[in-house]
Amino acid sequence: QKEVEQDPGPLSVPEGAIVSLNCTYSNSAFQYFMWYRQYSRKGPELLMYTYSSGNKEDGRFTAQVDKSSKYISLFIRDSQPSDSATYLCAIGRVNRDDKIIFGKGTRLHILP
Amino acid sequence: SQTIHQWPATLVQPVGSPLSLECTVEGTSNPNLYWYRQAAGRGLQLLFYSVGIGQISSEVPQNLSASRPQDRQFILSSKKLLLSDSGFYLCAWSPAGTAYNQPQHFGDGTRLSIL
Repeated sequence: QKEVEQDPGPLSVPEGAIVSLNCTYSNSAFQYFMWYRQYSRKGPELLMYTYSSGNKEDGRFTAQVDKSSKYISLFIRDSQPSDSATYLCAIGRVNRDDKIIFGKGTRLHILP
Repeated sequence: SQTIHQWPATLVQPVGSPLSLECTVEGTSNPNLYWYRQAAGRGLQLLFYSVGIGQISSEVPQNLSASRPQDRQFILSSKKLLLSDSGFYLCAWSPAGTAYNQPQHFGDGTRLSIL
């Protein structure tokens, strides 16, 4: 079983819709959760960082962590064409040698 | 604020030629530094990471090497490039100390094509 799994997409949604992006992970030792956005030919950009279960909100973005189900989500409200990008989840494991595990990313297209 | 610079943005090299990619970080001291390769459909592959000057950990056996000659400088090298070295190379940093609970911050990458 892979340590973190993420649907590659592509996911196409109309402008203004709510987008839901998800990752599952295999080990309850994972305690730190991040979401990155990556535009084509650019490096990943940190969007959200959390280490607790529940929701964390930042503008139109909400990160949700369910540790009991080993499931993390990123919600984008009022989606815009500029949100079209690849979104990567990343998780860090307590007491592990300086590693963060990245998902392979989900490609998102917001249709005008 | 902290910034990370990576160059060149694009590079085309013949098979068998040497390689040197450079990454520098500004606005922080003693950062953890990382080199990743990103291939389509395969996600981010960690190649090397460094917790200090001269300290390099290699994640996968390969044709590449890394060096950290200064606190905020990280270099990815090869003596002889292979076709399989083509890809998108990303440098990243995280704050000093333990890395598993610190988000990493990425440069804009170098797209390397081997002919």
